[in-house]
Amino acid sequence: DAGVIQSPRHEVTEMGQEVTLRCKPISGHDYLFWYRQTMMRGLELLIYFNNNVPIDDSGMPEDRFSAKMPNASFSTLKIQPSEPRDSAVYFCASTQWSGSGWETQYFGPGTRLLVL
Amino acid sequence: DAKTTQPPSMDCAEGRAANLPCNHSTISGNEYVYWYRQIHSQGPQYIIHGLKNNETNEMASLIITEDRKSSTLILPHATLRDTAVYYCIVRARMDSSYKLIFGSGTRLLVRP
Repeated sequence: DAGVIQSPRHEVTEMGQEVTLRCKPISGHDYLFWYRQTMMRGLELLIYFNNNVPIDDSGMPEDRFSAKMPNASFSTLKIQPSEPRDSAVYFCASTQWSGSGWETQYFGPGTRLLVL
Repeated sequence: DAKTTQPPSMDCAEGRAANLPCNHSTISGNEYVYWYRQIHSQGPQYIIHGLKNNETNEMASLIITEDRKSSTLILPHATLRDTAVYYCIVRARMDSSYKLIFGSGTRLLVRP
């Protein structure tokens, strides 16, 4: 398997523009997570899905952020409108329920977002 | 989930063992200890996990004290490629949630 795939790898945009980040989880995984990493706040969970359904979005910073998972192989994280403080590295991760309760999360390479 | 405490940074010489401590004094009986690491600019990578017994895999060993209030990740023969931030995470075995709460971690520098 190619692992978790994220696109784009780098994004530079201007304040006020819409930004869409994309993620393809590992085939067969039924959990998908979106994380954000900044120097100030470290690595924080934004939202996660189980079987394409959002389970916990308590980490989403505000209404400008939205995430969708239309099918098992694709998810998007959208920021509209973007602001300079949204500049960060956004990671997508996936895992598969196995019944053991300790499943490993596999992370993608991240999208480096810079909002000017 | 229990809180963890790790030293902000450590270093070791290449080829020597790297011993990374983690304190989790408030851990409860059903909580596992996980270790992930993040090499510069990459996504975090799973290393190992354990409940109460010591564990070993191809990457590392995990030593958990008998009272489970602390643990040590051991990289037996550190290489330059092991330079990374290491995160110790405590999480309950859950049926419906897989949230990982990452702290500040320990920045390990392996010296040539």
